[in-house]
Amino acid sequence: AQSVTQLDSHVSVSEGTPVLLRCNYSSSYSPSLFWYVQHPNKGLQLLLKYTSAATLVKGINGFEAEFKKSETSFHLTKPSAHMSDAAEYFCVVSDLTSGTYKYIFGTGTRLKVLA
Amino acid sequence: NAGVTQTPKFQVLKTGQSMTLQCAQDMNHNSMYWYRQDPGMGLRLIYYSASEGTTDKGEVPNGYNVSRLNKREFSLRLESAAPSQTSVYFCASRESAYGYTFGSGTRLTVV
Repeated sequence: AQSVTQLDSHVSVSEGTPVLLRCNYSSSYSPSLFWYVQHPNKGLQLLLKYTSAATLVKGINGFEAEFKKSETSFHLTKPSAHMSDAAEYFCVVSDLTSGTYKYIFGTGTRLKVLA
Repeated sequence: NAGVTQTPKFQVLKTGQSMTLQCAQDMNHNSMYWYRQDPGMGLRLIYYSASEGTTDKGEVPNGYNVSRLNKREFSLRLESAAPSQTSVYFCASRESAYGYTFGSGTRLTVV
């Protein structure tokens, strides 16, 4: 079975400093991995996706993630945090085993950006 | 605008009442999904429909039923609401193996 583990439930950074949100995955197959962001009382927005092409994936708003098979990780990074980055972030793996491509969500990481 | 439309956006129910959450997509997607979001638990799959005329249980189906009325619409029904069903519900449709489109959510409170 596929799963994802987000290693931190809360992360606080100062504005202008780097962001690192950690995600480990478990999969018997070559996975498809995603990061979504959810601002307060809003829906889900796709930040970026890994689909077995380049291992370094660039997304919107300056975010990027690196797929590391040896470490089973897909951490999300941004060089410089902005106040508008404060939100909840979800790491997601797509379950390909059943052919239905169900999304399996991590439990989320709430990012707080300090002025 | 093309996308996934959920109604209502907010709802308060009394314990034991029933209601149906509506979801419609206009992108001609085959697969549709219902998730619930609870604090600290991410999103969990309730039911999904791989294609018109088929539905299957997800991770947390108890207390819910679904109907795939046609290719566009996928509704979620609570027959007898319980406080444990207080949650935010998201509908989604799948455009490919690599992307979902989510609705804006329904915030449900059961008192």
